[in-house]
Amino acid sequence: GENVEQHPSTLSVQEGDSAVIKCTYSDSASNYFPWYKQELGKGPQLIIDIRSNVGEKKDQRIAVTLNKTAKHFSLHITETQPEDSAVYFCAASIKTGGFKTIFGAGTRLFVKA
Amino acid sequence: DTAVSQTPKYLVTQMGNDKSIKCEQNLGHDTMYWYKQDSKKFLKIMFSYNNKELIINETVPNRFSPKSPDKAHLNLHINSLELGDSAVYFCASSQDQGSYNEQFFGPGTRLTVL
Repeated sequence: GENVEQHPSTLSVQEGDSAVIKCTYSDSASNYFPWYKQELGKGPQLIIDIRSNVGEKKDQRIAVTLNKTAKHFSLHITETQPEDSAVYFCAASIKTGGFKTIFGAGTRLFVKA
Repeated sequence: DTAVSQTPKYLVTQMGNDKSIKCEQNLGHDTMYWYKQDSKKFLKIMFSYNNKELIINETVPNRFSPKSPDKAHLNLHINSLELGDSAVYFCASSQDQGSYNEQFFGPGTRLTVL
């Protein structure tokens, strides 16, 4: 079945450093890869996404890359700030009758001031 | 104005009881979802509805019964609650069933079964 693996599970960085979170997916039919940020006590919120026909996308301090051949995609956060501290989820979406999103296990990011 | 709302925010109950969680979205979306997030933060889809019609049922026990009275509401009823049902349940919505759609999540309902 479909599977999304995410690493690392925990990431601690100093304010101003970069953070990278990596994911792999199993189903080659996956065509949409969103990234969600979940702050304490709240629901996940989309921060950036990438479609399968694009290799890279950037939005200010965050960027995502996709390698379809290797079934890898990554989130890069530059110039991290304490408010970036949260749990980040990668996901892969596939159309199987209905539209299904499979989430990675999450990465807890700590940005130390 | 809250886009996706859930009630209650917290639910504490005894094993064997029946409980419901309500969800409403005011975004005009066609598709709604229920997710379960366990203590390790793993987020797993349970159900998906499109225009009141069940689209996805991810082998969830029969004790869980979703109901969509209209496309703005998706409620979750749970019978005979078990300890393992303790989790945070998130409702979400998206514009339609298309695969490029952002999902908007509610604030979650923390269910604790004693």
